[in-house]
Parts: sequence; C-alpha cells; structure tokens
Amino acid sequence: AQTVTQSQPEMSVQEAETVTLSCTYDTSESDYYLFWYKQPPSRQMILVIRQEAYKQQNATENRFSVNFQKAAKSFSLKISDSQLGDAAMYFCAYRTPGGQNFVFGPGTRLSVLP
Amino acid sequence: EAGVAQSPRYKIIEKRQSVAFWCNPISGHATLYWYQQILGQGPKLLIQFQNNGVVDDSQLPKDRFSAERLKGVDSTLKIQPAKLEDSAVYLCASRSIAGGGKTQYFGPGTRLLVL
Repeated sequence: AQTVTQSQPEMSVQEAETVTLSCTYDTSESDYYLFWYKQPPSRQMILVIRQEAYKQQNATENRFSVNFQKAAKSFSLKISDSQLGDAAMYFCAYRTPGGQNFVFGPGTRLSVLP
Repeated sequence: EAGVAQSPRYKIIEKRQSVAFWCNPISGHATLYWYQQILGQGPKLLIQFQNNGVVDDSQLPKDRFSAERLKGVDSTLKIQPAKLEDSAVYLCASRSIAGGGKTQYFGPGTRLLVL
C-alpha cells in the first residue's frame, strides 16, 4: 500500500524568508501524481502545486516550487518570500492516474512570523 | 465556476444518534470523494464514486457508515449509529475525468462532534 510521510509536524519561517517542507512516499508504481495542499484554519483544502511523476522538470507555481526526486521518492515544497497568508497546514498527497489510492500525509503546520 | 458545496457546516449529536451529510460537487465532475479528517491528521479516504458507481470503499466502516450518489451528481454520507470516535471533519471533493483531470477540489467540510 502506498504511504506518504511528512517528518516535520511543525515548521516556522520569518516573513519574506524561504522555507522547505519535506515529504517522502512509498509506492511500487511508476506513474502517479503528487500534490501539495494547503489547509488554512478555515479548513478549506486548496491545491498548491501538482507534479506528474513522468515529468522530470520540477513544477513551479509563483512562489511555490517542488524538488521532485523520483528515485529517492522525495517531494519537497519550497515556499519563497513567505507571507503571513501562507500560514496553514500543508499536506503532501499521492494518487495513481486512475484516481484511486489517494493518500495524504499527516501534515506540517507552518507558522509565518512577522 | 461554483465550488464544492457541503452542508451542514457543523453538527453536534450524541452517541448512538444518526447523522447525514450532503455534498454537491462541481458541475460536470464525475468523480466524488468523501474523506474523514480527525483533528491533527491528514484526510483519510472513505469512499470514491465515479458517476453513481462506487470505485473504492475499502476504508468505509460499513457497519455504521453508508454513502450514496444515486443520480451521479450530489451525494450523502450517513453515520448510524454514531460513536465518539466519529468526531471529525468530513470533507467532500470532486474531480473531472475530462481531459485526464488531475486535480480534486475540496468543499469546506462538515465538522461533526459526537458527545
């Protein structure tokens, strides 16, 4: 069974600084998708960024980028120029192309300090 | 485009009572998911529908939980009878399969407290 691990329960970053959240996963599949979701205190889960496993190029969305290391089964999220609104729970997630086996990690709580 | 709608937003019940949650996915999204998110944990998939058929319900506690999506649009999730450990946020999400839809979109969730 696929598993997703986030080894940092909590992280903090100074406003305008850069922070990296870690995620590792375990799968025997060669094709899959990886996601980072953000869940602010209001609890609406919002997609931050997505990576297809067959793409070697790391995904980037404005201030958010990933470091995808397929061989190491690692998928970290880098947030540049951190803003107060980035404070939230961040979940790493995995799913197979067919849509089944959507698995979330336990989350990392990110605090942004003014 | 309207997002995923869920109701109610909050529910408090006593153990052994019954409760139902409703979800209306984004229009045209064939795939619908129900998740249970216990405080401090990541969401756990309970059931996945594609149109009105169940794709995966392997983690649904079928002795007390049931879900349906009769017309392939909105869905209800029921708990009968509820236990204290069912206290959680129940999230609904939907995904389009058109064009190889890769992303699921979440509703605001229903927060359930069982006393």
